[in-house]
Amino acid sequence: QKEVEQNSGPLSVPEGAIASLNCTYSDRGSQSFFWYRQYSGKSPELIMFIYSNGDKEDGRFTAQLNKASQYVSLLIRDSQPSDSATYLCAVMESGGYNKLIFGAGTRLAVHP
Amino acid sequence: DGGITQSPKYLFRKEGQNVTLSCEQNLNHDAMYWYRQDPGQGLRLIYYSQIVNDFQKGDIAEGYSVSREKKESFPLTVTSAQKNPTAFYLCASSRDYQTRGQFFGPGTRLTVL
Repeated sequence: QKEVEQNSGPLSVPEGAIASLNCTYSDRGSQSFFWYRQYSGKSPELIMFIYSNGDKEDGRFTAQLNKASQYVSLLIRDSQPSDSATYLCAVMESGGYNKLIFGAGTRLAVHP
Repeated sequence: DGGITQSPKYLFRKEGQNVTLSCEQNLNHDAMYWYRQDPGQGLRLIYYSQIVNDFQKGDIAEGYSVSREKKESFPLTVTSAQKNPTAFYLCASSRDYQTRGQFFGPGTRLTVL
């Protein structure tokens, strides 16, 4: 059974700090990785995707990928209270038809 | 505006009844998906479809059925055979298998009374 693991949290950070969210996956053949943000009662929103080892930056968000360690992370710089949400890590299953395997999510709380 | 719509937003069902959840997209996406989310859990795949008139079972297809007669539409029927249907149901779409992610509709919250 292919799995994606995330710490459920809550991860509590002060406003302006860097929030670091982590994810590990079991499917060694996976090539595509995604981060979704989900506010309470709402549907997930895609915020980042990464395919290559290393870092990918988009505004205050940085995704980091290490395929050898089967590890993906999301950094949020200058965290704002509006960043408070659950962040879902998703991994595209190898050999499948764009099937994503989701982690259970990490709840982030940014306090003023 | 392009996007994915789901209806209804909230749905209440008595035990033993079948219900159909609507999902429509005008993004011209080939692939569509249905997920279920339970509190504190990740999304679990119910069914997916890569092209019209073709669909495959996901990880938790028992008690559910789908159809894909049009590219824009992928309705999900929750049958009375589904033992624990109360959940948040999410529809998603993607352009094709070389996608840069799946995009979600607003969801339908189903409660069985």
